[in-house]
Amino acid sequence: GQQVQQSPASLVLQEGENAELQCNFSTSLNSMQWFYQRPGGSLVSLFYNPSGTKHSGRLTSTTVIKERRSSLHISSSQTTDSGTYLCALDPNTGNYKYVFGAGTRLKVIA
Amino acid sequence: EAAVTQSPRNKVAVTGGKVTLSCNQTNNHNNMYWYRQDTGHGLRLIHYSYGAGSTEKGDIPDGYKASRPSQENFSLILELATPSQTSVYFCASGDDTQYFGPGTRLLVL
Repeated sequence: GQQVQQSPASLVLQEGENAELQCNFSTSLNSMQWFYQRPGGSLVSLFYNPSGTKHSGRLTSTTVIKERRSSLHISSSQTTDSGTYLCALDPNTGNYKYVFGAGTRLKVIA
Repeated sequence: EAAVTQSPRNKVAVTGGKVTLSCNQTNNHNNMYWYRQDTGHGLRLIHYSYGAGSTEKGDIPDGYKASRPSQENFSLILELATPSQTSVYFCASGDDTQYFGPGTRLLVL
């Protein structure tokens, strides 16, 4: 089965609302990253977060290894947050061979 | 920030033809990766490298070869392109944090 599952698959928000994106994994974890992908564009790393909580501006990532989940919280969403959010994990190979989730497609409307 | 560039950005190829996708990184990362992204499959690892002269098979290597002639350059080679290889290809470098290139859109007719 799939090692990395993201939810929801898609989400529409009004500008200013908060969002919680989930990433659940079925294997042990060596490394975990969250990426943002611009529509039709490349991937930008948001967080490297194999455990614990990290903050960057309006974004917060929390990874709980024993629960096999990671979340990405977006506060006070803006239209420029629209795009796809991907989580990826290295399932304990130690070789940084990341396995990607299918992503959450976010649309923020004014 | 890490700089990863890819060429060409767009490519149309014919079935059975040879295609070479190039990737260059200027941040002296040892590890480099080639992924493809398809609707319904997300990003999948094709080949990767730990340094100049090394190439390793990823999760979907069939139909692809890779070459790492230097620390900076990593190429993906399709010896006999097929329509099923129509996709968007991304190169990345780094290890725990990976930095991605802008992508190459390949259409095989």
